[in-house]
Amino acid sequence: DTEVTQTPKHLVMGMTNKKSLKCEQHMGHRAMYWYKQKAKKPPELMFVYSYEKLSINESVPSRFSPECPNSSLLNLHLHALQPEDSALYLCATTPSRGLDTEAFFGQGTRLTVV
Amino acid sequence: GQNIDQPTEMTATEGAIVQINCTYQTSGFNGLFWYQQHAGEAPTFLSYNVLDGLEEKGRFSSFLSRSKGYSYLLLKELQMKDSASYLCAVRDSQTGGFKTIFGAGTRLFVKA
Repeated sequence: DTEVTQTPKHLVMGMTNKKSLKCEQHMGHRAMYWYKQKAKKPPELMFVYSYEKLSINESVPSRFSPECPNSSLLNLHLHALQPEDSALYLCATTPSRGLDTEAFFGQGTRLTVV
Repeated sequence: GQNIDQPTEMTATEGAIVQINCTYQTSGFNGLFWYQQHAGEAPTFLSYNVLDGLEEKGRFSSFLSRSKGYSYLLLKELQMKDSASYLCAVRDSQTGGFKTIFGAGTRLFVKA
């Protein structure tokens, strides 16, 4: 199994809603990442988890809250988002610190904030 | 600082060869990746270079010169399905290999 599965594929939410994005992998990878990608822009790193611990937070606003409940799952909890947060949210994994390996990306969640 | 430059768009003809250049400036360097991304989809890995020279993989080749901060992706025998964005990404060694910086991508249009 070399897949990273993200759900939902599409999400529309209001600015007062609370929702969660989910990412699942069964490759035994121990580093997991959240990226945000706006149209025609490169992916921007948000968070990195290594062995279920948060390693990097790229100064992301607190309305985005990551969680790694176990080595296969990565969640991104969303609350009080703004329309400018609308983007493609990508989850990625690497085996561990991933010095010599590529990242495996999920298909992404297309988020629209209304 | 960190900076990655690639051309915004390129157009090439089916069956031809195209070279996509990437120049980078990073505070640390621990490898350069090329990814392909079709519109609305996730990036998929194409190649990885950490030492100077050429890496060949089927129709795709990638070259790296660390002293010049330069890489290129070469696509041969272009097919219509190669129309996509190509992202150059550099791994920053200062954070233990975790942080990968992506360039803005080059949108390649393959015409018949």
